[in-house]
Amino acid sequence: DQQVKQNSPSLSVQEGRISILNCDYTNSMFDYFLWYKKYPAEGPTFLISISSIKDKNEDGRFTVFLNKSAKHLSLHIVPSQPGDSAVYFCAASKGGSEKLVFGKGTKLTVNP
Amino acid sequence: DAGVIQSPRHEVTEMGQEVTLRCKPISGHNSLFWYRQTMMRGLELLIYFNNNVPIDDSGMPEDRFSAKMPNASFSTLKIQPSEPRDSAVYFCASKPDTYEQYFGPGTRLTVT
Repeated sequence: DQQVKQNSPSLSVQEGRISILNCDYTNSMFDYFLWYKKYPAEGPTFLISISSIKDKNEDGRFTVFLNKSAKHLSLHIVPSQPGDSAVYFCAASKGGSEKLVFGKGTKLTVNP
Repeated sequence: DAGVIQSPRHEVTEMGQEVTLRCKPISGHNSLFWYRQTMMRGLELLIYFNNNVPIDDSGMPEDRFSAKMPNASFSTLKIQPSEPRDSAVYFCASKPDTYEQYFGPGTRLTVT
């Protein structure tokens, strides 16, 4: 049973435009959400996170939105740059647990 | 400060052989995680330790897999005997007292 789902395996956008990556979850006990970015032959690196007490968190070009009623979060990248081309993983944690549950990732390609 | 260090980066072995993967977490981090990434199943948590003690090994696929953390700066994941279906990328991650986990570069294991 996949508790964190990223339904789009891939996404392609033009440089300078907005990239929107989506993530859905099924477990209402999740209270903290993270996005990781992964380049080929490297480990995932932490990008941005959001607590369930918030609905938005912004860090430079990256903004994460959380809709608890829909059990949905999204990552917005504005403006997109070719260096943003990577696989993006959504992850969730519940109740102070140290465990993260990851989605399967979305491969973002930003075309020059 | 050095990140999480994993060795070897690549391992090719024959079915039936013992494989040992190694991890050095970031100094001062008190939790360590072992993940396996495959195309079919994405990033799966195998086991995690807190203060060198195994807390949750429910993700370990079978008795052929074992993990140890003899001290705060070293952990191993052993597969004995290895099988072709164990071929995957294995990541080690560590974390301090926050939600974010910091990943190593991974070990790509190929079992022929």
